[in-house]
Amino acid sequence: QKEVEQNSGPLSVPEGAIASLNCTYSDRGSQSFFWYRQYSGKSPELIMFIYSNGDKEDGRFTAQLNKASQYVSLLIRDSQPSDSATYLCAVKGYNNNDMRFGAGTRLTVKP
Amino acid sequence: DTEVTQTPKHLVMGMTNKKSLKCEQHMGHRAMYWYKQKAKKPPELMFVYSYEKLSINESVPSRFSPECPNSSLLNLHLHALQPEDSALYLCASSGSDTQYFGPGTRLTVL
Repeated sequence: QKEVEQNSGPLSVPEGAIASLNCTYSDRGSQSFFWYRQYSGKSPELIMFIYSNGDKEDGRFTAQLNKASQYVSLLIRDSQPSDSATYLCAVKGYNNNDMRFGAGTRLTVKP
Repeated sequence: DTEVTQTPKHLVMGMTNKKSLKCEQHMGHRAMYWYKQKAKKPPELMFVYSYEKLSINESVPSRFSPECPNSSLLNLHLHALQPEDSALYLCASSGSDTQYFGPGTRLTVL
């Protein structure tokens, strides 16, 4: 079982729709959860981080964490073509420097 | 400011060459990382330095040699690489939990 799993996609949504990206993780000791956006040929860019169960909103982005289910998600409201990218889920344990990435979900927002 | 810089942006080298990748951050972060990323794959952790000491080495071949001269700088020395080592090499730093990535060095080994 992979440590961090994501649906590789591609996920295609129309412009203005809600894009829902999902991630599960295997280590119950994981404490910190991150979403990165990566455009083709570029480096990962931090979008959101979440530590506590529940929702965290930042503009059009909402991260959701359910530690009991070992599940973290990212919702993108009012999706724009510029949101088309690969979204990487990353997970860290407590008090360590080891961040584990999922394989990424490729999102395409169609005009 | 969350900037991590990397030089060079692109590097082409032969299998007998010796080259170095450089990474710099001035955010006071105490952890610095090297990742390797192949096309359509996630970043793959290579090395972690914490307080200028190597804390994680993910069984990386010895042809890759990291160095942390001070808390702001991280180098990756390359020697006798193979064509399959061609990839995007990413540096990152973190002060607490969040990692910030540099723009990467696109390495091609001929």
